[in-house]
Amino acid sequence: KQEVTQIPAALSVPEGENLVLNCSFTDSAIYNLQWFRQDPGKGLTSLLLIQSSQREQTSGRLNASLDKSSGRSTLYIAASQPGDSATYLCAVEGGSEKLVFGKGTKLTVNP
Amino acid sequence: DAGVTQSPTHLIKTRGQQVTLRCSPKSGHDTVSWYQQALGQGPQFIFQYYEEEERQRGNFPDRFSGHQFPNYSSELNVNALLLGDSALYLCASSRPAQETQYFGPGTRLLVL
Repeated sequence: KQEVTQIPAALSVPEGENLVLNCSFTDSAIYNLQWFRQDPGKGLTSLLLIQSSQREQTSGRLNASLDKSSGRSTLYIAASQPGDSATYLCAVEGGSEKLVFGKGTKLTVNP
Repeated sequence: DAGVTQSPTHLIKTRGQQVTLRCSPKSGHDTVSWYQQALGQGPQFIFQYYEEEERQRGNFPDRFSGHQFPNYSSELNVNALLLGDSALYLCASSRPAQETQYFGPGTRLLVL
């Protein structure tokens, strides 16, 4: 059974700081890995999707890496802004279009 | 182009009642998945519908059932509600072989 763990559970940083969010998964037989953003009480917004054959994806100030063999992914956020404050969720798909999520990292960026 | 829409946005029920949640997928999408997100947890997969049939199911009891209509919209039904069913219910839609699932804003269900 696939399990996804995200560390830390919460993170508070000053504006402008670069930060890294971590995600680990127990079964390396994944089809892809996605990072989502969730604002309080809202739905999910897909940030980055990494195929199992890829090592990283970039979008603006966001960079996600994937090491499938070790079961790890990181989301790097450069020059953080207060608007980045949200919960970030990592999810893996095993080819069945069913996503298995971690519990998320709650990020607060202080002005 | 409207994204994934869900109704209602909020709902309050009492234990033992039944509830129906609705989802309209993004235009061009024919696959709908439902997820339950309890407070402070990640979403948990309930089931997925494609071509009006349940294609796969997560670890949820039979009290949770669904339906997909010919226009690809979907309903999630929960019978005999328990306090533990209180959660944000998320609907996601996708197309075959397209990896990204698009999520709706969710329906927040409170069971008293």
